[in-house]
Amino acid sequence: GQQVMQIPQYQHVQEGEDFTTYCNSSTTLSNIQWYKQRPGGHPVFLIQLVKSGEVKKQKRLTFQFGEAKKNSSLHITATQTTDVGTYFCAGVMDYGGSQGNLIFGKGTKLSVKP
Amino acid sequence: KAGVTQTPRYLIKTRGQQVTLSCSPISGHRSVSWYQQTPGQGLQFLFEYFSETQRNKGNFPGRFSGRQFSNSRSEMNVSTLELGDSALYLCASREFHGKGVNTDTQYFGPGTRLTVL
Repeated sequence: GQQVMQIPQYQHVQEGEDFTTYCNSSTTLSNIQWYKQRPGGHPVFLIQLVKSGEVKKQKRLTFQFGEAKKNSSLHITATQTTDVGTYFCAGVMDYGGSQGNLIFGKGTKLSVKP
Repeated sequence: KAGVTQTPRYLIKTRGQQVTLSCSPISGHRSVSWYQQTPGQGLQFLFEYFSETQRNKGNFPGRFSGRQFSNSRSEMNVSTLELGDSALYLCASREFHGKGVNTDTQYFGPGTRLTVL
């Protein structure tokens, strides 16, 4: 079935270092969403990307959607301990306008050493 | 607005039993989706309900079923529980108006932690 691959699975960084997680789909996506799940919590929506080549920023977080709408990345500049958690991408497959459900990547678990 | 609520928060069952989980979406949200989260498989889509009808279904056996009521509240049922059904079951709601590409933000509930012994 359709899959969204996400790497790396784990990332350990020193506070202040940068962090990037990548998502790839074998099929074109209609849009991609990013979620963050804190330890013991539930996924919380961060952002949605819809347009080819789209770049969005939220303070230290930069989200990109590839030109072919098959890949996406999340980059955090100068990580802080509050960034700890698992970051998930979730893609909606492009079925030519018909509705598709969100397919989640397996997530990247970020730990930050103070 | 109140967020998505799920009951119960924790549940312990034994193999062979059946379980029903409940989800109340955000007021005004008509779509409810269910996900299973495990350390090995991550977040896996179970099904989505809209207007009391299942509109999307993931790749799970028929032991997993759900329904939605006229007030948009949803329940999911797992029959003949297996050890591998131990997981966090998450419910998510979104506005969704019945057509168009899925671009709605999903709001997740706190989940029900199911342990099967």
